[in-house]
Amino acid sequence: KNQVEQSPQSLIILEGKNCTLQCNYTVSPFSNLRWYKQDTGRGPVSLTIMTFSENTKSNGRYTATLDADTKQSSLHITASQLSDSASYICVVRGNAGNMLTFGGGTRLMVKP
Amino acid sequence: ETGVTQSPTHLIKTRGQQVTLRCSSQSGHNTVSWYQQALGQGPQFIFQYYREEENGRGNFPPRFSGLQFPNYSSELNVNALELDDSALYLCASSFSGRAWNEQFFGPGTRLTVL
Repeated sequence: KNQVEQSPQSLIILEGKNCTLQCNYTVSPFSNLRWYKQDTGRGPVSLTIMTFSENTKSNGRYTATLDADTKQSSLHITASQLSDSASYICVVRGNAGNMLTFGGGTRLMVKP
Repeated sequence: ETGVTQSPTHLIKTRGQQVTLRCSSQSGHNTVSWYQQALGQGPQFIFQYYREEENGRGNFPPRFSGLQFPNYSSELNVNALELDDSALYLCASSFSGRAWNEQFFGPGTRLTVL
């Protein structure tokens, strides 16, 4: 069964600090992995996409890593800002069909 | 270029009623997917429509049904509403021809079943 597990479920950090969110998946065969940011009451917005051959990809203060061998990904946020408070969702697409498997998300709260 | 829009924004229904949610896809997109997101959870895939036909379905009962129209807009219909149907319903559009096709999400419809 295709599954995506994220940790931690929730996280509170102080403004300016760094944090790392984890994503483990069992989706096979693997096509790509996206990290989405979802503000409260809004739809998710894509931050990065990782394909099988990519290890690291950055988007501003967000850096995603992928280890396709261990089926793990991480999202590192540098110098956090209050606006980073949101849910971060890891989404994996398999090569079979056009379906996505969503993780449960990590709820991040950045406090001043 | 307009983004994905959904209506209504919020909706309150009672158990046993029926509801129709609407989604307008982003310009140039021909595929629409619907998701149910319970509070504090990740989205769960309901189904996907491509060229007016359902081409994938998640683990949802038949009382969840949908339509896609020639302009690629879509509807999600839920019959015999249950309390557990209370959730944020997200619509996402994409262009199926791209290998890494990103799904662009709408703001969602918040459904409350009393």
